[in-house]
Amino acid sequence: QKEVEQNSGPLSVPEGAIASLNCTYSDRVSQSFFWYRQYSGKSPELIMSIYSNGDKEDGRFTAQLNKASQYVSLLIRDSQPSDSATYLCAVIMYSGGGADGLTFGKGTHLIIQP
Amino acid sequence: ETGVTQSPTHLIKTRGQQVTLRCSSQSGHNTVSWYQQALGQGPQFIFQYYREEENGRGNFPPRFSGLQFPNYSSELNVNALELDDSALYLCASSFSLGEQYFGPGTRLTVT
Repeated sequence: QKEVEQNSGPLSVPEGAIASLNCTYSDRVSQSFFWYRQYSGKSPELIMSIYSNGDKEDGRFTAQLNKASQYVSLLIRDSQPSDSATYLCAVIMYSGGGADGLTFGKGTHLIIQP
Repeated sequence: ETGVTQSPTHLIKTRGQQVTLRCSSQSGHNTVSWYQQALGQGPQFIFQYYREEENGRGNFPPRFSGLQFPNYSSELNVNALELDDSALYLCASSFSLGEQYFGPGTRLTVT
């Protein structure tokens, strides 16, 4: 069964520190990887997409992908209280019939302590 | 640029009834995907529509069906509602298999 695994947390990080969120996936042929942020009662908001091995930086966010280890992570530098949310890792997995839409992990609840 | 919109925002239905949820895709997008999110869980893929045809489907029964219209807007229909169908229903639009952007969702409660 194709799965995306995340530690549900909560992950508590002091304000100004680096928050590190991790995700593993089971499907070796996955090609597209995404991080979404979801505030309580709201819909997911796309933060980062990454398609090739290595790091991708966008402002305070860095996504890291290691396809050999089937591992994708999100680093948030200079964490702010407004970063407190649930972070969802999502992967597009492929079957014989084509793409199967986004497969999500259960999300990691991040708390930034002032 | 108009984002993804969904209607209604909230809905209460009785078990056994039918419901239709609506979604308008973001300008320039041609693909709509629907997800169900139960409390405390990640969204679960229901199905995806591209060029007015179902392009992929998750592990949901046939009583979950949909449509996509020529303007790329979409409907999700659920027949014979069950209590477990209570969830946040999310629509996401994209250009083909690119990045998916979510609408605000419809909160469905089945009593």
